[in-house]
Amino acid sequence: QKEVEQDPGPLSVPEGAIVSLNCTYSNSAFQYFMWYRQYSRKGPELLMYTYSSGNKEDGRFTAQVDKSSKYISLFIRDSQPSDSATYLCAMSVREAGTALIFGKGTTLSVSS
Amino acid sequence: EAEVAQSPRYKITEKSQAVAFWCDPISGHATLYWYRQILGQGPELLVQFQDESVVDDSQLPKDRFSAERLKGVDSTLKIQPAELGDSAMYLCASSTRNPGQGEANFGPGTRLTVT
Repeated sequence: QKEVEQDPGPLSVPEGAIVSLNCTYSNSAFQYFMWYRQYSRKGPELLMYTYSSGNKEDGRFTAQVDKSSKYISLFIRDSQPSDSATYLCAMSVREAGTALIFGKGTTLSVSS
Repeated sequence: EAEVAQSPRYKITEKSQAVAFWCDPISGHATLYWYRQILGQGPELLVQFQDESVVDDSQLPKDRFSAERLKGVDSTLKIQPAELGDSAMYLCASSTRNPGQGEANFGPGTRLTVT
């Protein structure tokens, strides 16, 4: 079993839909949780960064962490065609200077 | 906004040849990572530097891969000899040591094709 599990999809939704992306993990030492967006043939770009459990909101994006269930989610409201990309969850045990452990990524397609 | 620079962006090489990738992290970032991303997979760490020192190279295939960061700034990753299975995206990332700013910033990557 990999440390971080993520359904690769693909996930296809119409424009304006609410999207839910999820990851589960097995290492209870993970404390820092991130979501990266990666467009085709580009490097990952950071979307959301959260510490420990709880919710964090940034515009149309909401990240949730449930450490008791070892489960994290990213919600995208009012999805746009420009949101079409691969979304990678990533985790680390410490904050600065610690390598990230990534999920496989979920490919999202938003149709207009 | 400061960015991580990588070159080349694309590289095609024949198996058994040598290939090298270069990375220039964001200025002031002490930590530098090289990740490999196979198509359809998430990035996996190859090597991590703290300043000029290697912190973690446990997943680096040391019989063919080498990495250096001689002055604690830019870094080079080398493969010799390249194998067909090395075809992947090679990503460089950097981060600070400062609390609250620890997230990794990625470069655009080098896409390697070994024929």
